[in-house]
Amino acid sequence: GNSVTQMEGPVTLSEEAFLTINCTYTATGYPSLFWYVQYPGEGLQLLLKATKADDKGSNKGFEATYRKETTSFHLEKGSVQVSDSAVYFCALSDRGTNAGKSTFGDGTTLTVKP
Amino acid sequence: DTGVSQNPRHKITKRGQNVTFRCDPISEHNRLYWYRQTLGQGPEFLTYFQNEAQLEKSRLLSDRFSAERPKGSFSTLEIQRTEQGDSAMYLCASSLGRQILVEDGYTFGSGTRLTVV
Repeated sequence: GNSVTQMEGPVTLSEEAFLTINCTYTATGYPSLFWYVQYPGEGLQLLLKATKADDKGSNKGFEATYRKETTSFHLEKGSVQVSDSAVYFCALSDRGTNAGKSTFGDGTTLTVKP
Repeated sequence: DTGVSQNPRHKITKRGQNVTFRCDPISEHNRLYWYRQTLGQGPEFLTYFQNEAQLEKSRLLSDRFSAERPKGSFSTLEIQRTEQGDSAMYLCASSLGRQILVEDGYTFGSGTRLTVV
C-alpha cells in the first residue's frame, strides 16, 4: 500500500533561516504529491502540489520538487518567518480510479523564533 | 462560498451513544472525503464520495460507522455505539474533481472534535 514518511519534529529555527522538511513516499502507482499546512487553531490548508515527475510546486515562498527517482518531495523555504510556525503535512494521492483518496504523513511541527 | 463547513465543532458523548456529524462542502466540488485525526498523527482516510456515490470505505472502519451524501450535496457521518477509542478530530474535505483520474488537492473544514466519556 501507499505510505508517507516525514522528517520527525519538532523543528525550531530562527527567523530568516533556511528550512527543509524531508518527505519520502511509497506508492503502488504514479501519485500526485501535496504539502498541507495547519496554522495554530486553524484547519489544514493546501500549500502546494505537484502532479508529475520533476514538477516544482510553489506557494508563499515554499517550494517542493517531485523526485520520482528518490521518491521524495522535500519542502524548502529560503527565509522563514515567525508566521510560518505551523504543522506541515506531506501527502500523496493515487491516480486512476482511486484518484482522490490521499495518504498523509504524521506532520512536522515548525516553530520559528524571532 | 465560505468554504467547507462542519457541525458541530465539538461533541462530548457518553460511551454507547450514537453521534452524527454534518459536512457542507464547497458547492461546486463533486468529491467529498471524511478523515479522522488523532493527536500527533496525520489524517487517516475513512471514506469518500464522488457526487452521491460512496466510492470507497476504509477497511479500518467498523460497521458502527456510516456515511451518506444524499443528492451529492452535504454529507453526514454517523457513529453508532460510540467507544472511547472513537475520540478524535473528524475532518471533512472536498475537492473539485475536474480530472477524473487525478486529484487537485483538498479544501478542509475545521473539523468536529469528538470526546467519548
